[in-house]
Parts: sequence; C-alpha cells; structure tokens
Amino acid sequence: AQSVAQPEDQVNVAEGNPLTVKCTYSVSGNPYLFWYVQYPNRGLQFLLKYITGDNLVKGSYGFEAEFNKSQTSFHLKKPSALVSDSALYFCAVRDKGEYGNKLVFGAGTILRVKS
Amino acid sequence: GAVVSQHPSWVICKSGTSVKIECRSLDFQATTMFWYRQFPKQSLMLMATSNEGSKATYEQGVEKDKFLINHASLTLSTLTVTSAHPEDSSFYICSARWPSGVNEQFFGPGTRLTVL
Repeated sequence: AQSVAQPEDQVNVAEGNPLTVKCTYSVSGNPYLFWYVQYPNRGLQFLLKYITGDNLVKGSYGFEAEFNKSQTSFHLKKPSALVSDSALYFCAVRDKGEYGNKLVFGAGTILRVKS
Repeated sequence: GAVVSQHPSWVICKSGTSVKIECRSLDFQATTMFWYRQFPKQSLMLMATSNEGSKATYEQGVEKDKFLINHASLTLSTLTVTSAHPEDSSFYICSARWPSGVNEQFFGPGTRLTVL
C-alpha cells in the first residue's frame, strides 16, 4: 500500500520568512502526490499535485512543492510566509482502492506563522 | 473549479437518534464519493467509498449498519449515522472524485456532529 509521512507535528515560521512543510512517501510505481490545506472547522482545499514532469510544482496561494525521487520526498514550500498561511497541511498519495483510486493522507502538520 | 457542498454544516442531536448528512457535487457528476471522519488535531480517516448505483465499500473497522451510505444520483451521496452516541461526535468530511484524468478529489466543507 502507498503511504506518506509528515515527520513534523508543527512548524513555526516568522512572517516573511521562507517555509517548508515536509512529506516523504513510500510507493510502488510512480507516485501521484498531493498537498491540501485545512483551516479550522473547514474541509480540505487543494493546493497542488505532482503527477509527472517537472519536479518543481507550483500551486495555489504561492505554494510550491519539490518532488525528489532519490529522497522520496515531496516537501511543500513558500518563499515568504504570511500569517494567513497558518493552518493544517496534509500531504496525500493516490492509492488503489476496490472502486478505483483513493487518497491516503499523512498525519498533518500545523503551520503557525507569527507576525 | 469543482465545488462540493455538505449539509448541514453542524448538527447537535440526542443520543439514540439518527442524523443524515448530505454531500453534493455542484458542478460535476461524481460516480464516486468518499466519506471521511476527522478527530480533533488528527488526520482524515477514510470511512467508506460511495459509488453511484451500488453498495458502498467500507474500510476495515467501520460499521456499515451504523454508518449508512446512499449514493442515489451522480451528484448526491448521503451518510446516515444511526442510533448516534457521544463517541460518534466528530467532524465528517465528504469528497467527490473528478470523473477523468488523475481523478483528484474535491472536498466538502465538513459537518460537525455533536451527540449529547
């Protein structure tokens, strides 16, 4: 089965500084990887995905992620953090289910951006 | 973009009653929808996969008789929590799978269920 791991429960960053939220994956075959963000008491919002092609994927709200096959990582990055980026971030990988593809989520990482 | 709605956004009920949560894909047809459960400060746990016109597939450990899923049309799936108990209190999130390409999922805003 496919899986992802988010090694950090929480990441603290000062506003204006670059941020990185880590994700590593374990898959058989080519990975389809996703990042989602969740604000309090809300559903998940899609940020970006990696399917194939360029290792640097650009997404919503200025976020990007770098796919690194040798390190089996898919870290989420942003050059300059905003206080409004504070939220819960999930990395996910597509897996095969009985009725087609499903998503397997990491445990989530809380991002806190302080002004 | 693809929009998924959930209704209600929050519900409080008495122990022993049943609660129905609706999930709708507003601008696309979804043959497959998913139901997740999320406890505070935890990840999403997939409960079941809902397929239009057929029985839902439940993940291991999820009671199918307690969490009834109906996917009667290509834009609507419902989750009914039967005989709810306080331990069923949670945040329930649905998603709908885009019908082509990578089949990415679009998520609803979630339903906060509190059972007294």
